[in-house]
Amino acid sequence: DTGVSQDPRHKITKRGQNVTFRCDPISEHNRLYWYRQTLGQGPEFLTYFQNEAQLEKSRLLSDRFSAERPKGSFSTLEIQRTEQGDSAMYLCASSPPTLNVLTFGAGSRLTVL
Amino acid sequence: AQTVTQSQPEMSVQEAETVTLSCTYDTSESDYYLFWYKQPPSRQMILVIRQEAYKQQNATENRFSVNFQKAAKSFSLKISDSQLGDAAMYFCAYQASGAGSYQLTFGKGTKLSVIP
Repeated sequence: DTGVSQDPRHKITKRGQNVTFRCDPISEHNRLYWYRQTLGQGPEFLTYFQNEAQLEKSRLLSDRFSAERPKGSFSTLEIQRTEQGDSAMYLCASSPPTLNVLTFGAGSRLTVL
Repeated sequence: AQTVTQSQPEMSVQEAETVTLSCTYDTSESDYYLFWYKQPPSRQMILVIRQEAYKQQNATENRFSVNFQKAAKSFSLKISDSQLGDAAMYFCAYQASGAGSYQLTFGKGTKLSVIP
């Protein structure tokens, strides 16, 4: 297993377009998290999945953001009608069932022009 | 709401010397977890050390150790025998314990430079 994979690594889009990021967690990890990190800041929590169930969402996750984890494996994070303020690094992390130690992916960097 | 404060935006240390990174947090909970994560330039974030608040003993991982002062809500990271590979952003993070507590709250980070 090669860890948490995220795709694409970098996405440049124009304002108003939709973008989708994919995260493949470590296979034994049933917990999956999305965080957003802007320049000079620590990561901010967006949402959490346990298996296929989305159990927690931050107020940062506006109605333009949607995340899914069908079948409890990979997850997607979609941003609709992107705004320049959405420019950030989107981090995915996963953790095993009985230990709250997160393994992070390398992130997907979004640039909105 | 819980907050995590890292008061040192940047720090530097001479190779082989010791450096301490500061972190304070605010919570009304009695049980929680604290973490230090390392984020090297253009690389993914990795866990350095984890502390459970109910444990009195400070966590250690090889050259990394913490000074956990629960009453003062302080959680500093000491790096001994600093190496060039220790250069990175270091983030302190808090997680409440108990059911329904999944999110980590991160500080803004401290950029550590290691001088050869």
